[in-house]
Amino acid sequence: GAVVSQHPSRVICKSGTSVKIECRSLDFQATTMFWYRQFPKQSLMLMATSNEGSKATYEQGVEKDKFLINHASLTLSTLTVTSAHPEDSSFYICSARVPGKRREAFFGQGTRLTVV
Amino acid sequence: DAKTTQPNSMESNEEEPVHLPCNHSTISGTDYIHWYRQLPSQGPEYVIHGLTSNVNNRMASLAIAEDRKSSTLILHRATLRDAAVYYCILRPGGTASKLTFGTGTRLQVTL
Repeated sequence: GAVVSQHPSRVICKSGTSVKIECRSLDFQATTMFWYRQFPKQSLMLMATSNEGSKATYEQGVEKDKFLINHASLTLSTLTVTSAHPEDSSFYICSARVPGKRREAFFGQGTRLTVV
Repeated sequence: DAKTTQPNSMESNEEEPVHLPCNHSTISGTDYIHWYRQLPSQGPEYVIHGLTSNVNNRMASLAIAEDRKSSTLILHRATLRDAAVYYCILRPGGTASKLTFGTGTRLQVTL
């Protein structure tokens, strides 16, 4: 199956700093990637759709200036949490689909962000 | 997006079959039925998907009602490694369509 890799898997940062999370498609090219956030004991919430070469599409209620998304290549999308605060502590997950007829989505292993 | 309804939790004994139900009465004709599962502290993992006909793969079987308003994920022999949250998701037929996760069913497997 296709592989989506996230880095880092865990990160701890100080309040007020910025954190960048990378999402890579290792063996396929992804024109579209998706970013989710998951709080403890809750389901995944879609934050934004990352489009290669163009601006990301954010879901309602997600601050685009706080969660910066860059999809500069067909294999890499990044999510930067700017001026992080403790309430941004969460599990961030990306996903991508293999272009073509395959319909399943592939997910990264997730990034656990803790803001102290 | 059309909504799905799943039981919050289910229990199963190891090596017994498990039937995980999902209701999706507002499904549209172009919606695919997808199942994913999420093990603790991991990203979701694809399990199976279908449109109208029942589907089988190495992980599970998907039984789709004739009117498509419900479906059942079948794990033929549950193992401890199958303990996870299982999500039933309707996905529009577009190539870049997003997945909207509901609350899922937490499956516990016991010896």
